[in-house]
Amino acid sequence: SAVISQKPSRDICQRGTSLTIQCQVDSQVTMMFWYRQQPGQSLTLIATANQGSEATYESGFVIDKFPISRPNLTFSTLTVSNMSPEDSSIYLCSVKGLYQETQYFGPGTRLLVL
Amino acid sequence: ELKVEQNPLFLSMQEGKNYTIYCNYSTTSDRLYWYRQDPGKSLESLFVLLSNGAVKQEGRLMASLDTKARLSTLHITAAVHDLSATYFCAVGGSQGNLIFGKGTKLSVKP
Repeated sequence: SAVISQKPSRDICQRGTSLTIQCQVDSQVTMMFWYRQQPGQSLTLIATANQGSEATYESGFVIDKFPISRPNLTFSTLTVSNMSPEDSSIYLCSVKGLYQETQYFGPGTRLLVL
Repeated sequence: ELKVEQNPLFLSMQEGKNYTIYCNYSTTSDRLYWYRQDPGKSLESLFVLLSNGAVKQEGRLMASLDTKARLSTLHITAAVHDLSATYFCAVGGSQGNLIFGKGTKLSVKP
């Protein structure tokens, strides 16, 4: 199984600011995803992080608001830009290896926007 | 659009009892996942089901998949308090991502 770390684990931010979340995996993986889990809700896919190219965003999520980078096979960042209280959520990184069926999730970043 | 429906959304059980959580999905998929989430924690993978008729068991939990009915079940046998958590089913999407149900919050009481 993959070991995934996320930084920061939690943060409290002021509206209008931006926060970059890092996701680091201990092994090379083919696919990396970013999900959002709003309080008491299920998980919603934000985007697929593609290595060396632009991320693929789901409907309702745009690059200007959630820019994503993936410079290599083990690392990705998600930025939440120009934050508002509605962005308060848990942001989770998920990975899948080439010959694995299981998708593993990082510990999550708990974001509160005031 | 692929949709995933779980029921029930809330389940209060007594220790020692059996119960089943249901997961229906709207279009064909060849992968069905079950995850557990404890309060304030991330998701822990429980089962991955890849074929029609697949059945997997781990301890007091057993998951099955009927692709023709587009239905998966998570059966809990002789529940214990430690099983209290939120259980999510998820279906594999076309991009390799997961589409999640709303989750079933399970509370096991003595």
